[in-house]
Amino acid sequence: DADVTQTPRNRITKTGKRIMLECSQTKGHDRMYWYRQDPGLGLRLIYYSFDVKDINKGEISDGYSVSRQAQAKFSLSLESAIPNQTALYFCATSVPGGSEAFFGQGTRLTVV
Amino acid sequence: AQSVTQPDIHITVSEGASLELRCNYSYGATPYLFWYVQSPGQGLQLLLKYFSGDTLVQGIKGFEAEFKRSQSSFNLRKPSVHWSDAAEYFCAVADGSGNTGKLIFGQGTTLQVKP
Repeated sequence: DADVTQTPRNRITKTGKRIMLECSQTKGHDRMYWYRQDPGLGLRLIYYSFDVKDINKGEISDGYSVSRQAQAKFSLSLESAIPNQTALYFCATSVPGGSEAFFGQGTRLTVV
Repeated sequence: AQSVTQPDIHITVSEGASLELRCNYSYGATPYLFWYVQSPGQGLQLLLKYFSGDTLVQGIKGFEAEFKRSQSSFNLRKPSVHWSDAAEYFCAVADGSGNTGKLIFGQGTTLQVKP
């Protein structure tokens, strides 16, 4: 089983709909991240959390919100999806003081 | 602000040929540098990382990278490419002091391998 699991793996949704992407991890890491990947832009940080009570905006947080339900769970929500949020979304974890990030397999989201 | 540039969007090499993927970074202090690989339909897998010490870093799958401070580069190399190396490759630098886990990525280089 994967250490960092994202659900769903693929999702098609309509403009204006609310959607939640979920991430769970069994690595025991405190720190969790959500990135977005777009062709030609690499990955960009949306939100990150250093523990359950600590949530921070990343480079491109507008239009997104997150919830850290437990140490192992970090969800990303699009309150009202728009087509330019069509992208591949990655969840990642790391340990305090460490720079290496461990990634899930990604969620491909299409907003039509 | 820190940044990472991968000048080559797409590279095609023949199987068995050598490979070099370029990465340039912008950061004032000694950077923490990474190369990740993304195979089709898969997440990102760490190939190698540089924090300090020996500037030639060995990674998994036969890859290596060399940190050159004078050129602000961290190029990825492999002596002989296999068809299974076809993937997208990302260079990244750790944000800030390097202990936040936040990464700044380059644009990615797609590697195609010809038979």
